[in-house]
Amino acid sequence: GAVVSQHPSWVICKSGTSVKIECRSLDFQATTMFWYRQFPKQSLMLMATSNEGSKATYEQGVEKDKFLINHASLTLSTLTVTSAHPEDSSFYICSARAELQVNEKLFFGSGTQLSVL
Amino acid sequence: LAKTTQPISMDSYEGQEVNITCSHNNIATNDYITWYQQFPSQGPRFIIQGYKTKVTNEVASLFIPADRKSSTLSLPRVSLSDTAVYYCLVGDLTNDYKLSFGAGTTVTVRA
Repeated sequence: GAVVSQHPSWVICKSGTSVKIECRSLDFQATTMFWYRQFPKQSLMLMATSNEGSKATYEQGVEKDKFLINHASLTLSTLTVTSAHPEDSSFYICSARAELQVNEKLFFGSGTQLSVL
Repeated sequence: LAKTTQPISMDSYEGQEVNITCSHNNIATNDYITWYQQFPSQGPRFIIQGYKTKVTNEVASLFIPADRKSSTLSLPRVSLSDTAVYYCLVGDLTNDYKLSFGAGTTVTVRA
C-alpha cells in the first residue's frame, strides 16, 4: 500500500511555543489529508480536513487559529499547534486519501506524540 | 456518517479464531466497510475492506450479510502480536472519505 510519513514521531516543548507536524505522502499524490488527535485509551477524533490549495475544514469545537493547517502541495500537509499548552498534549495522527487504488484509499501516518511542559 | 457499534473488548488465546462484529444500522448505499488495526502509539493500519458478501485477504476475512447492517471481521489463528485495537469504519469511497472512528474493540491475545 501507499506510505504516509509523519514527522516528528514525538516532540516535547515548553508551554507557549509552537510546534509543527509534517505529513507526507511518499509515493502518491494526496489531494485530501485528515488530521486526528487521540488521547490515551480513547479513539481517534477528527480535527480537520486538509485540501490541497484551499483552506482546511475544521470540525466543530476545533480552534482553527490554534491548529493551523497548511496543504501547499499534493504530497505535504502540516499541522502547527500554536502557543501550545499542557492540555494540547496528545497523539496527533494524519491520514491521506489516495485515489490511485481500488480498495484501500485512506492511509495513515505513524503519529506524533506531543508533550507540552 | 453511519454510526458503528462494536464490543469494547475481547479476549482470546493464541491459535484461536477471533470474530469481531460491528453494527452499522444506518449504512448508506454508497458506504464501504473498512477495518483498521491500531497498536499503541502508532497510526491505524488497514486490514480489510468490503461492500457486501465476503472478502478475504492474507490476514483476515470480512463477512457482510445481505442487509449490510452489520459486518464481522474474522482473524484466523491469532498470535500475541495481534493484540491491538480494531476499528470498524463505514464511509463513502466516492466522496471525501471522511471517516468517523468509533470506540473500537480491544483484542487481547494470551498465550
